[in-house]
Amino acid sequence: QVQLQQWGAGLLKTSETLSLTCAVYGGSFSGFYWSWVRQPPGKGLEWIGEINHSGSTNYNPSLKSRVTTSVDTSERRISLRLTSVTAADTGVYYCARAGRELSSFDYWGQGTLVTVSS
Amino acid sequence: DIQMTQSPSTLSASVGDRVTITCRASQSISRWLAWYQQIPGKAPKLLIYKASTLEIGVPSRFSGSGSGTEFTLTINSLQPDDFATYYCQQYNGYSRTFGQGTKVEIK
Repeated sequence: QVQLQQWGAGLLKTSETLSLTCAVYGGSFSGFYWSWVRQPPGKGLEWIGEINHSGSTNYNPSLKSRVTTSVDTSERRISLRLTSVTAADTGVYYCARAGRELSSFDYWGQGTLVTVSS
Repeated sequence: DIQMTQSPSTLSASVGDRVTITCRASQSISRWLAWYQQIPGKAPKLLIYKASTLEIGVPSRFSGSGSGTEFTLTINSLQPDDFATYYCQQYNGYSRTFGQGTKVEIK
């Protein structure tokens, strides 16, 4: 059974860098894209970006200048860095596996609430 | 960027009703569309992928259709567990976009 377990700092100040990590347990690590998705309080889902086992990345154009994703295949982990955060970056951040011919998110992490305050 | 527009934003229905949610893409995405259900405080759950393929374990009262730019999610005989928010999501090979969501409420 595939499980995604994520962690990272939950409280940041404006202009700091958000850093989250997601570990993958079970299943294959290669052959998928591993994405980050966020959800502001009371709002909808926003795709942030993704990476595969070989390090190929895709990013949301609206966040691309501030986002970096990385992969550690030996540890089966992916990481997200989002620089220069503001209150608008507050929300729950999820990691997710893009399976089903890479088209859709079939496994999700538990979510991490990140709050940005001044 | 491909924009996804869902309608309605909110839908009031009763147990046993048949409900339909529509998702429109700003350009053709073939059949690369997925539907998710989200309950407050939980991660989204994949219901349907490639427009009409039911994810394993999802009840057959859920169905999806469409291709190109217009897609629908239908829930036949709404059950109490189905009151939630539903999202569509497109994939074009290098980016992904979600619709804004449709909240299905109890009438």
